[in-house]
Amino acid sequence: SQQGEEDPQALSIQEGENATMNCSYKTSINNLQWYRQNSGRGLVHLILIRSNEREKHSGRLRVTLDTSKKSSSLLITASRAADTASYFCATEPNTGNQFYFGTGTSLTVIP
Amino acid sequence: DAGVTQSPTHLIKTRGQQVTLRCSPKSGHDTVSWYQQALGQGPQFIFQYYEEEERQRGNFPDRFSGHQFPNYSSELNVNALLLGDSALYLCASSLVTGRYTFGSGTRLTVV
Repeated sequence: SQQGEEDPQALSIQEGENATMNCSYKTSINNLQWYRQNSGRGLVHLILIRSNEREKHSGRLRVTLDTSKKSSSLLITASRAADTASYFCATEPNTGNQFYFGTGTSLTVIP
Repeated sequence: DAGVTQSPTHLIKTRGQQVTLRCSPKSGHDTVSWYQQALGQGPQFIFQYYEEEERQRGNFPDRFSGHQFPNYSSELNVNALLLGDSALYLCASSLVTGRYTFGSGTRLTVV
């Protein structure tokens, strides 16, 4: 079974607005990563946050991690039409080296 | 610096047949992981290869098997194909620990 779940399943916003998506997971982790996928193609790594970190920034991306709640959020600021894609969180449990993906959030940015 | 290369990009097979998918990892990476992604779902971990051995395995039947070669490239074999095996198969390479680099995937359709 999948480790994480994203919320919402789908999100539609206007260009320029901020998009926030959330990820909840089940077990203790070493790190959590966010990936982007365009139209069923391969996944592109966006950002990694380690279990001892609470917040991380990369360009227009801001990721938070709350290990006590087993949750993370991804914020995309000043969204663009090109941000339209599916976004997945992936967790690396501290019991192994594989990553478990959530169910994904489908983001649509309307020009 | 070549990324992860997967072949073929698309494949159509008949139920009951066998299929082999191939993956060449990113230069410098020694670990290959395989994922199955059904339409509208997140990637599901199949197995991971390191030093030519299966190191971790997800919840997939024995019909799914793999191999890693001395040059770190890998194959995924699926026997006795079922309609439910239709999916995007993703290969990801990494160092022993660290972020994944994904290939563009092989789209398998079983008819």
